[in-house]
Amino acid sequence: DQQVKQNSPSLSVQEGRISILNCDYTNSMFDYFLWYKKYPAEGPTFLISISSIKDKNEDGRFTVFLNKSAKHLSLHIVPSQPGDSAVYFCAASVSGANNLFFGTGTRLTVIP
Amino acid sequence: KAGVTQTPRYLIKTRGQQVTLSCSPISGHRSVSWYQQTPGQGLQFLFEYFSETQRNKGNFPGRFSGRQFSNSRSEMNVSTLELGDSALYLCASSLGHTTDTQYFGPGTRLTVL
Repeated sequence: DQQVKQNSPSLSVQEGRISILNCDYTNSMFDYFLWYKKYPAEGPTFLISISSIKDKNEDGRFTVFLNKSAKHLSLHIVPSQPGDSAVYFCAASVSGANNLFFGTGTRLTVIP
Repeated sequence: KAGVTQTPRYLIKTRGQQVTLSCSPISGHRSVSWYQQTPGQGLQFLFEYFSETQRNKGNFPGRFSGRQFSNSRSEMNVSTLELGDSALYLCASSLGHTTDTQYFGPGTRLTVL
């Protein structure tokens, strides 16, 4: 039972444009959400997180939006750079438990 | 600050054997979590240790076990290996509070023949 879903396995974007990666979740108890970037043969690298008390969090080129009523979050990367090409995972957890539930990942390719 | 380190990076075992993987967390981090990544199941939580105690456990059989030492280093053990245990095993550390960011190591690639 996949509680966190990333329905787009891949996304291609031109350099300089906006990349929007989407994530849906089913468990209404989730209250902490994270995005990780992963290169082959490496562990996931933390990008940005958001608590359920917020609906937006920004860090440089990365912004995460949370829509609790829709159980949906998205990661915006502006402007996209070729070095952003990687697999992006969203993850969610419940306060009081430190286990992350991951989506299946979206492979982002930024075309120079 | 040094990141999370995992040893070994690659391992090949045969069915029926057992294996031990090691993880050293970021200095000052007291929580260590283990995850399994496979093409079919994605990234799945195995267990979490905090202050030498298992604090949380995922839905894996008892062949998967772990422990944490007083210096927060952790090991995970898989006994009676099966072909389906072939995976990337990832360790993540955090300060220990339940909404702390988890930082991942590079993983151990286990191949079971």
